[in-house]
Amino acid sequence: SAVISQKPSRDICQRGTSLTIQCQVDSQVTMMFWYRQQPGQSLTLIATANQGSEATYESGFVIDKFPISRPNLTFSTLTVSNMSPEDSSIYLCSAWEQGAGFYGYTFGSGTRLTVV
Amino acid sequence: LAKTTQPISMDSYEGQEVNITCSHNNIATNDYITWYQQFPSQGPRFIIQGYKTKVTNEVASLFIPADRKSSTLSLPRVSLSDTAVYYCLVGLSGGYNKLIFGAGTRLAVHP
Repeated sequence: SAVISQKPSRDICQRGTSLTIQCQVDSQVTMMFWYRQQPGQSLTLIATANQGSEATYESGFVIDKFPISRPNLTFSTLTVSNMSPEDSSIYLCSAWEQGAGFYGYTFGSGTRLTVV
Repeated sequence: LAKTTQPISMDSYEGQEVNITCSHNNIATNDYITWYQQFPSQGPRFIIQGYKTKVTNEVASLFIPADRKSSTLSLPRVSLSDTAVYYCLVGLSGGYNKLIFGAGTRLAVHP
């Protein structure tokens, strides 16, 4: 399966600032996704990142707060804008793959964000 | 997207077999059943996937009854390193679908 690298792995940011998280896949993938995971909680889908078109956001998430870029088939970024302490969370990137005997998703290790 | 229900937590001891059952009453005809494992500070990792009957790989077995309304992940002879959260997901239908995660099952393996 594909290997996904996320940067940064963690960061501590001041409220009101923005952070851009990068997601690099070692192979071309059609669909990429961004998730948020609060400590001890399950994953919540933020948006689907489509190459060549705007991202599709889930209910409760808006483009102004979480702008996403998808410039090519191996890369995506998620920006957390105008951060507040409530944005402290783990942000995960995922990619859809379809191969021999496998339909599924591969995840990056996540970015642990703390807003102070 | 089919909703899944699984136990919130389970406890086991090293060397035991662990079975985690997931119910998915509204599974669609073309949906696959996929299980993921997540360790602290890591993203979820694919464990096993199946459509019907039984699937086995080097990590686990997946049992799916004929009606496909439930599935059971079986971990043979667990070790401390199997302590993790296990998620059951349904709904690939042969192509991509956005994954909606349930609460998962938090497995604690004790010495």
